[in-house]
Amino acid sequence: AQSVTQLDSHVSVSEGTPVLLRCNYSSSYSPSLFWYVQHPNKGLQLLLKYTSAATLVKGINGFEAEFKKSETSFHLTKPSAHMSDAAEYFCVVSDREAAGNKLTFGGGTRVLVKP
Amino acid sequence: EAQVTQNPRYLITVTGKKLTVTCSQNMNHEYMSWYRQDPGLGLRQIYYSMNVEVTDKGDVPEGYKVSRKEKRNFPLILESPSPNQTSLYFCASSLWGVANEQFFGPGTRLTVL
Repeated sequence: AQSVTQLDSHVSVSEGTPVLLRCNYSSSYSPSLFWYVQHPNKGLQLLLKYTSAATLVKGINGFEAEFKKSETSFHLTKPSAHMSDAAEYFCVVSDREAAGNKLTFGGGTRVLVKP
Repeated sequence: EAQVTQNPRYLITVTGKKLTVTCSQNMNHEYMSWYRQDPGLGLRQIYYSMNVEVTDKGDVPEGYKVSRKEKRNFPLILESPSPNQTSLYFCASSLWGVANEQFFGPGTRLTVL
């Protein structure tokens, strides 16, 4: 089985300060991990993905995430938040060995950026 | 323009009245899937399809049907909708499967009274 837990349902940051969104996953061996962003009233857009290459993954809009197998974590960070980062973020796992061709989403983290 | 389209975008219906939400992609993708989004639960996969005539259940398939007769289309069918199916629905597609980027449609907001 595979599962994803996003540890914070809401995160509030000031513009220009760092953002940290925490994600822990459970899977058998070699998961693919993703972060997607959903702006208000929009569909989801891929921020970045990890598929067993480099453990530090860089994505769009200055976001990056680090895969830590020992901690089963895939936290998303950005050094300096911008107002346009206000959105909901989803951590996603897929593990062909554990769950075939299914995708499992975390519950989401809503980010508020204060001016 | 490469895209996933869904219709309708908004639908209000009554319990028991059959409905279909269409999904179409123009990227020649093999993999297509349906999700429902509910507050605090993220997105949950309803059904997915690896290719034409190949469909499989996701995590919450009860009360839904799908078909994949053509590569580009993947309709979601609610034979007898119930109020607990009130949700925001997303269709998505990707080139080969779950290890690839998923391209999402704009969503369909369904209300079942």
